[in-house]
Amino acid sequence: DAKTTQPNSMESNEEEPVHLPCNHSTISGTDYIHWYRQLPSQGPEYVIHGLTSNVNNRMASLAIAEDRKSSTLILHRATLRDAAVYYCILRDRGGNTGKLIFGQGTTLQVKP
Amino acid sequence: DTGVSQDPRHKITKRGQNVTFRCDPISEHNRLYWYRQTLGQGPEFLTYFQNEAQLEKSRLLSDRFSAERPKGSFSTLEIQRTEQGDSAMYLCASSRQGLAFTDTQYFGPGTRLTVL
Repeated sequence: DAKTTQPNSMESNEEEPVHLPCNHSTISGTDYIHWYRQLPSQGPEYVIHGLTSNVNNRMASLAIAEDRKSSTLILHRATLRDAAVYYCILRDRGGNTGKLIFGQGTTLQVKP
Repeated sequence: DTGVSQDPRHKITKRGQNVTFRCDPISEHNRLYWYRQTLGQGPEFLTYFQNEAQLEKSRLLSDRFSAERPKGSFSTLEIQRTEQGDSAMYLCASSRQGLAFTDTQYFGPGTRLTVL
């Protein structure tokens, strides 16, 4: 499974944008980029995913580099509820189980 | 849609005892996954069911672990002869049949196991 690299932790101020980076230099052409987050004492929850083009949904935006070796999750206005561990995951579209391979993720702290 | 539920939420047991956890997926989700998460780490995949068939097991799943999903609905994860190293959060997730690379997995709240 292709690997991702994320900073261990980041800090943000409330109501400011947050850019969470992810490096995936060994990504293959069939790998989708998924982001999940895990709030304290909860199971992970889906945030967003993409293949090549930038993606937007109600939670966040995903910016994917042209060479696909990196991506950035963008929270447009961080709130205290966004404090969580954010995981960047590569999923092989050729796989037949869809299992998620989590790394250690980025712990985001949001300061009021 | 009531989400994925897991029972119990917490379990404390003594080393050597057997424990069983239950997961109720979102109805009509035919894919079901078990993960294990230790403190400070991301979740690790344990096993996968498609309907009632167990299609993949991680090397992490020793012979003391067994999982079932009778009738393709709820699932159970049993650990026999528990060891202190089994202490972790056990997470269940479900998703709807679709392209494996795009389906969203919905996670339950987890069962926290403490082995004394």
